[in-house]
Amino acid sequence: EAQVTQNPRYLITVTGKKLTVTCSQNMNHEYMSWYRQDPGLGLRQIYYSMNVEVTDKGDVPEGYKVSRKEKRNFPLILESPSPNQTSLYFCASSSRSLGIDNEQFFGPGTRLTVL
Amino acid sequence: AQSVTQPDIHITVSEGASLELRCNYSYGATPYLFWYVQSPGQGLQLLLKYFSGDTLVQGIKGFEAEFKRSQSSFNLRKPSVHWSDAAEYFCAVGGYTDKLIFGTGTRLQVFP
Repeated sequence: EAQVTQNPRYLITVTGKKLTVTCSQNMNHEYMSWYRQDPGLGLRQIYYSMNVEVTDKGDVPEGYKVSRKEKRNFPLILESPSPNQTSLYFCASSSRSLGIDNEQFFGPGTRLTVL
Repeated sequence: AQSVTQPDIHITVSEGASLELRCNYSYGATPYLFWYVQSPGQGLQLLLKYFSGDTLVQGIKGFEAEFKRSQSSFNLRKPSVHWSDAAEYFCAVGGYTDKLIFGTGTRLQVFP
């Protein structure tokens, strides 16, 4: 089944404790992206990747890191999480790196709470 | 600046009634427009998309949307709502790159 998976689905952590949220897709997609969803703000893009070893900042990249060493994986790293990073995070992928005539497939989300 | 506005935060309709969710966008180039639905505890699912051609597009689950360039709008409609349509709906706009700009969402509640 074609899908985007994220782990963990739920995470409660404390300020400053490094964490990684994994994202994997099995559709051989070139483009992957991370969003955060906050009430009243919709979804905002954190980072995106056009292909392996190519990443770029989205609208709200502060406090986050990403890497794209393999086509299928795009982990989101919070080196020193803070309470304002408490949010619902979504990973997405699509099959074209330029030209948006293809659907972005979303993962199920990761709900992160930073105490 | 590029943006998407969904003016209705929360809409309540009775089952069987018609539905229209509003979406207005601001985008400097030819827009690609999308509607996504998010059911409680779920990720986002694409309902429909518009790139070019016929301005009335059909999507899944009986939804349709009409692109009106003169009004910078892409409203979502359904003639008869079902209780299972209760969810949050997001309008999004994109362009040549894959970046999507999302609206803040409209939460739909359906009464039996």
